[in-house]
Amino acid sequence: SYELTQPPSVSVSPGQTARITCSADALPKQYAYWYQQKPGQAPVLVIYKDSERPSGIPERFSGSSSGTTVTLTISGVQAEDEADYYCQSADSSGTWVFGGGTKLTVL
Amino acid sequence: QLQLQESGPGLVKPSETLSLTCTVSGGSISSSSYYWGWIRQPPGKGLEWIGSIYYSGSTYYNPSLKSRVTISVDTSKNQFSLKLSSVTAADTAVYYCARAEDIVATGPWGQGTLVTVSS
Repeated sequence: SYELTQPPSVSVSPGQTARITCSADALPKQYAYWYQQKPGQAPVLVIYKDSERPSGIPERFSGSSSGTTVTLTISGVQAEDEADYYCQSADSSGTWVFGGGTKLTVL
Repeated sequence: QLQLQESGPGLVKPSETLSLTCTVSGGSISSSSYYWGWIRQPPGKGLEWIGSIYYSGSTYYNPSLKSRVTISVDTSKNQFSLKLSSVTAADTAVYYCARAEDIVATGPWGQGTLVTVSS
């Protein structure tokens, strides 16, 4: 089955750049999406179609893709960015697949 | 603005059927641009897509749950619903409903409702 692999945790200091990777186990890779989830809240879409940013999402959030790996980059990390981040894509049949999630800690 | 709200029992007995409804307010569920989805999250764990429905009634299910899942839509009430049969403790989770565009939950999402499977 199609799987997306994320690191369990990433830690950065305020003002630094955080990079969270998501690797797909097969080609071709479909578009990837990134969600931010803060404790006790529903997820919020922060990146769609690998690198597009929805309206209302700060410019410090960006996405990129290379081969079967997509990366969420948060530039100038702020304390409020501490959250769990999930990547998501779909397999060839259209089944949504989520990565296991990455806990971003702002030191 | 568009809002989604899940409702249903918070406790379900093993082997019974979990039933949840998502009420959409501030907009029409019959919009041709959107799908409506259910996603769940076991306590302390990650997200799992359950399935999605189009206003016309076309459904798309996660193969791992397909044999137990039914998603339906009631456009007259601006609601869509989830039924998950033969539940076990492994189905204990926060269940979210969300508006989707094709394969992504663009939002908004409901606040989520915790369903516990226990006797």
